[in-house]
Amino acid sequence: DSGVTQTPKHLITATGQRVTLRCSPRSGDLSVYWYQQSLDQGLQFLIQYYNGEERAKGNILERFSAQQFPDLHSELNLSSLELGDSALYFCASSVEGGRQPQHFGDGTRLSIL
Amino acid sequence: GESVGLHLPTLSVQEGDNSIINCAYSNSASDYFIWYKQESGKGPQFIIDIRSNMDKRQGQRVTVLLNKTVKHLSLQIAATQPGDSAVYFCAEAQGAQKLVFGQGTRLTINP
Repeated sequence: DSGVTQTPKHLITATGQRVTLRCSPRSGDLSVYWYQQSLDQGLQFLIQYYNGEERAKGNILERFSAQQFPDLHSELNLSSLELGDSALYFCASSVEGGRQPQHFGDGTRLSIL
Repeated sequence: GESVGLHLPTLSVQEGDNSIINCAYSNSASDYFIWYKQESGKGPQFIIDIRSNMDKRQGQRVTVLLNKTVKHLSLQIAATQPGDSAVYFCAEAQGAQKLVFGQGTRLTINP
């Protein structure tokens, strides 16, 4: 158990809809990262937050947004969903940012019908 | 462009043998590398990391080797067990903020 909690584990929805994925980092970790894992793209970094502030952005679509709250949990919002958004979405956390291990949750599997 | 890749997509080994999983990286400025293990239905699990000021680091049954000259990283697993079956990813830290992952190698253990 990594200590990172993601909910829900599975999500099935339709094109055009909006969903929110939630992540609780390990106790004491200030940085939260979001990744997308699909069969053809592997693990892709989306965005990082550190202590409530956005720190780095990767290949995150404009239809996607995230935030980190004062209690350090984070949410990833996906809107105007398309079939290609079907993937596993992982959250990871680390004590700070940078050159240290990131610990991953077990992900949310998003299926778009 | 900059990328992290793996030499082999699949690797089969006999139980009890040593496994070696390889990874090539292209960004000579990268200074931090991590190996993760991902089992089916689970998130990536941290195995071991290494900084660029080291050539070798050992953990429990695992060793990571870093060859900066040829930009190559390897993970050695000693006395491979059935529980080692998984997909293994190397990742490279760029800009001290994000990890860039390779495509992964599936390790299967033959009894």
